This record gives sequence, structure tokens and C-alpha cells, in this order.
Amino acid sequence: DAKTTQPPSMDCAEGRAANLPCNHSTISGNEYVYWYRQIHSQGPQYIIHGLKNNETNEMASLIITEDRKSSTLILPHATLRDTAVYYCIVRFLIYNQGGKLIFGQGTELSVKP
Amino acid sequence: EAGVAQSPRYKIIEKRQSVAFWCNPISGHATLYWYQQILGQGPKLLIQFQNNGVVDDSQLPKDRFSAERLKGVDSTLKIQPAKLEDSAVYLCASSLEGTANQPQHFGDGTRLSIL
Repeated sequence: DAKTTQPPSMDCAEGRAANLPCNHSTISGNEYVYWYRQIHSQGPQYIIHGLKNNETNEMASLIITEDRKSSTLILPHATLRDTAVYYCIVRFLIYNQGGKLIFGQGTELSVKP
Repeated sequence: EAGVAQSPRYKIIEKRQSVAFWCNPISGHATLYWYQQILGQGPKLLIQFQNNGVVDDSQLPKDRFSAERLKGVDSTLKIQPAKLEDSAVYLCASSLEGTANQPQHFGDGTRLSIL
């Protein structure tokens, strides 16, 4: 079962920041938080991941609370092409199980003109 | 860098027929995964390979599904015989290693329709 809770849908105006929340209150100390997105008819696309510290790359920023029980993915200037389903995933650290991504229902983000 | 390649892109078969999907991972990636994504749901892991060995196949319906990665590079996933409930998108992903700090990169999948 997925260990994360996300709102089923969100809207965002084009050019504004999109802030997608995720609750992972049962996360263990060595489990990573991963974000993927899936645009219609495509495979999931890796966005970013983090353990404890906030992370930033060319696509997005990941803010993880100090207690690690929740996080927020930030798309700084959303475009229409960012419309997709966004998945927040907690990933196990154990080597033989480290590969498993357990996807939940995700958040359907609609970026509107 | 070339991404994960999958073929065919679409496949339509009748129930009880057999079908095979092919995946070529990103060059140098030791770990390969097959996922099944039913319409309206998130992907679910079927099997994970580390080089040419199976790491996790606990969710693979072994009475009808099989997968191999003989030379530790390309992989094939087969269904025989297919059932109506196998209609789904079959996604292949790869990563440098199987550890939790290495992201998986996905192909665009094969959409399978069972008539």
C-alpha cells in the first residue's frame, strides 16, 4: 500500500507557482521521498527526490518538513505542459527492496491559461 | 542520453493468445523493472532484475507471466495465455543500481488491449 496521501486534484494559473503537498506521516528515517509525474499516454517522468534536506533542480524544488512527515513539490513557473498526474512516493532503503516504487493515486494538476 | 526504449507501442490481441513486450534500458543501467498500469491507477511493480538475476518477482502472476533478461541488457515480458484483466499499459524502467538513492527512468510503455 502507498505510504503517502495527496489531494486528488489541483488547479494552477499559468505562470504562477504550483505547490503540491504530500503527507507521509509514517516515513522511516532512511526512506527517500520521490516525485514523479505522468503526462497522458507517457511513462512516469522522474522529477526530484530527497531524504532530509530541501532539494532543487532544473525542474522543481522539494521542501521536506523538519519532522519529515510531509513535503511540498514546487514548480516555480507552471506552464500548460506541466498539466499531469503528480505522484509522491516513499521509497524503501533496504537494498533488495530499494527498487520498489509504490504508486498511489497521485494529484492531477491542471494548469490553466 | 537515450531513454528507455519499449516496443511495440500498442498491441491488440484476443484472450487466450500470447504476447511479448521488449525493453532496452538506458545504457549502463544494471537494474531493470517491469510495471503494470491499469487504467486510472498508478503503476504496480511486476518484476525487478539486477543485471540478469531476478531480485523481486513477488507480484508477477507466474502462471501466465514470464520475464527474462538473459544478457543483463534487454528484457522481454511475456503473457501466455492472456486474460481480459491483463489489459493495461506495461512500463519498463531502469536505474544505475537498485538502491533507493538512484531514480528509476521509465519508457513510454506498451498499451495492451485484450478483446
